[in-house]
Amino acid sequence: SAVISQKPSRDICQRGTSLTIQCQVDSQVTMMFWYRQQPGQSLTLIATANQGSEATYESGFVIDKFPISRPNLTFSTLTVSNMSPEDSSIYLCSARGQLGGTEAFFGQGTRLTVV
Amino acid sequence: AQKVTQAQTEISVVEKEDVTLDCVYETRDTTYYLFWYKQPPSGELVFLIRRNSFDEQNEISGRYSWNFQKSTSSFNFTITASQVVDSAVYFCALRGPNYGQNFVFGPGTRLSVLP
Repeated sequence: SAVISQKPSRDICQRGTSLTIQCQVDSQVTMMFWYRQQPGQSLTLIATANQGSEATYESGFVIDKFPISRPNLTFSTLTVSNMSPEDSSIYLCSARGQLGGTEAFFGQGTRLTVV
Repeated sequence: AQKVTQAQTEISVVEKEDVTLDCVYETRDTTYYLFWYKQPPSGELVFLIRRNSFDEQNEISGRYSWNFQKSTSSFNFTITASQVVDSAVYFCALRGPNYGQNFVFGPGTRLSVLP
């Protein structure tokens, strides 16, 4: 299994500012993912981040709002830009191993509140 | 298209009762993978089990058991002799045959185990 460390674990931010969330995996992984979980809701995929290529965004999410970096096989960042109260959510980083069919592992999440 | 349904939004039981969480899925793939995750109040997603579509054996792990039935497209999760620490949101998820495919999560079932 992989251990994923995510920080910050929580933050309260002013609207109009940006927050960068860091995700560190304890082993090299090919694919990393960023999810948003709005209050009381399920997980929604924001984007897939592969090392050495641009992130692939899901419908409804754009790079200008959620820029992602993936500089190596163990690390990724997600920035939530120009925040509004609607961005208040839990943001979760996830990674998969090399083999097909393996489970996805998750960080502990970043609980973001925008005021 | 893939879809996961968890019809029970919230369940409350008294400690030591048995409880079953339902999961029904839809997919056109003949090969696929099913998962259960637990999200305690702290926010992280904890992997519980993975099941491949070609393996219909039920599984038991301590107080947890899973019943996979392809004929009814269901993958139900039973907790025997529930405990307060089982209180969490439980998500069922589905992934197709390809390694890079997204996980489709169900809406989750919030389980409250009362002392």
